Amino acid sequence: DVKVTQSSRYLVKRTGEKVFLECVQDMDHENMFWYRQDPGLGLRLIYFSYDVKMKEKGDIPEGYSVSREKKERFSLILESASTNQTSMYLCASSLNQGRGYTFGSGTRLTVV
Amino acid sequence: GQQVMQIPQYQHVQEGEDFTTYCNSSTTLSNIQWYKQRPGGHPVFLIQLVKSGEVKKQKRLTFQFGEAKKNSSLHITATQTTDVGTYFCRGTSYDKVIFGPGTSLSVIP
Repeated sequence: DVKVTQSSRYLVKRTGEKVFLECVQDMDHENMFWYRQDPGLGLRLIYFSYDVKMKEKGDIPEGYSVSREKKERFSLILESASTNQTSMYLCASSLNQGRGYTFGSGTRLTVV
Repeated sequence: GQQVMQIPQYQHVQEGEDFTTYCNSSTTLSNIQWYKQRPGGHPVFLIQLVKSGEVKKQKRLTFQFGEAKKNSSLHITATQTTDVGTYFCRGTSYDKVIFGPGTSLSVIP
């Protein structure tokens, strides 16, 4: 089974802090994604990557950046955390664009 | 812009009753996927439909893709408490992927 591992299940950070969310997949998937999930708003795409060192903005990239230095690892960076970035963050990967996503367990981030 | 809607938003059923959620897109889709998210969990991929009019079954779950490839449905026969969760559709259109907002299913034992 493909595993997508997110480094933290719960995280509490202060406003203005730089936050790193790490995601690692173990099945050599090309594509990786970062979503945030909020009640009533569903899943919203922040950034995605179809290859190493490649990144593309999703629907809500403002306030975020990403890094994909290795194929298996896709990091989401909150440059200066704000309270409106309190959310559940979900990382996903897929073999290619025609396949289903495997999601990680999520990181619930609270910014205080 | 492109939209993917799901109805109903919430559904409460008695255990043993059937359940259906509908996914409707404003544009033609190249494929549609369905995911299930248990309470407190993460979305899990269930199935992908690609062809117009396609029907696929997984035990008590039946998935359909509309003839015009703009809508899809997920039907659960004789619901069980293990079916509780939120069911999301995910549509792909012109390389743009959009998740529907989900249908939350509660099953009363």
